[in-house]
Amino acid sequence: KNEVEQSPQNLTAQEGEFITINCSYSVGISALHWLQQHPGGGIVSLFMLSSGKKKHGRLIATINIQEKHSSLHITASHPRDSAVYICAVMRYGGSQGNLIFGKGTKLSVKP
Amino acid sequence: ETGVTQSPTHLIKTRGQQVTLRCSSQSGHNTVSWYQQALGQGPQFIFQYYREEENGRGNFPPRFSGLQFPNYSSELNVNALELDDSALYLCASSLEQGASEAFFGQGTRLTVV
Repeated sequence: KNEVEQSPQNLTAQEGEFITINCSYSVGISALHWLQQHPGGGIVSLFMLSSGKKKHGRLIATINIQEKHSSLHITASHPRDSAVYICAVMRYGGSQGNLIFGKGTKLSVKP
Repeated sequence: ETGVTQSPTHLIKTRGQQVTLRCSSQSGHNTVSWYQQALGQGPQFIFQYYREEENGRGNFPPRFSGLQFPNYSSELNVNALELDDSALYLCASSLEQGASEAFFGQGTRLTVV
């Protein structure tokens, strides 16, 4: 079993829909990242969380440390949101090199 | 724009050859990590460099090696390339080795034929 599990693996939505991507992890962490990867390959960091909730534009990320679970929400989704969304956790006491990645959720938003 | 650039963007090599991939970090970022991302998978940690010394390594054989330079650039070298080395190689830099925030490059897509 992977230490970081994401669901769903693939997600197709209509423009305007509210989207939720989930991430569960099984190790102690100091931080959790939500990353966005476009088809070209480059990764952009969306959020870094250690507790609570963060919001940036139409994106909201939440984390529940006790339940070892995080969610990424996209409100009013748009075709330009189509990308792979990756959850990555930094193992507690570790350095950046101890980032453990999920396999990603491929999101496709149709117009 | 993360301020981290990788070169080349794409590369095709033959099995058995050697390859060098390059990463230019943000100025002042003395920690760089390299990751391998196979198709359809999440990135896997290869190794990390801090102040020009290797500072952690994932489950990769010794033919994967690296260098970090004082000008915040780094290299990933892979010897005796195998078909399974075909992947996207990502570098990520951060201000300090304990920093949680990481800045990723665009990646180098390596194809071994």
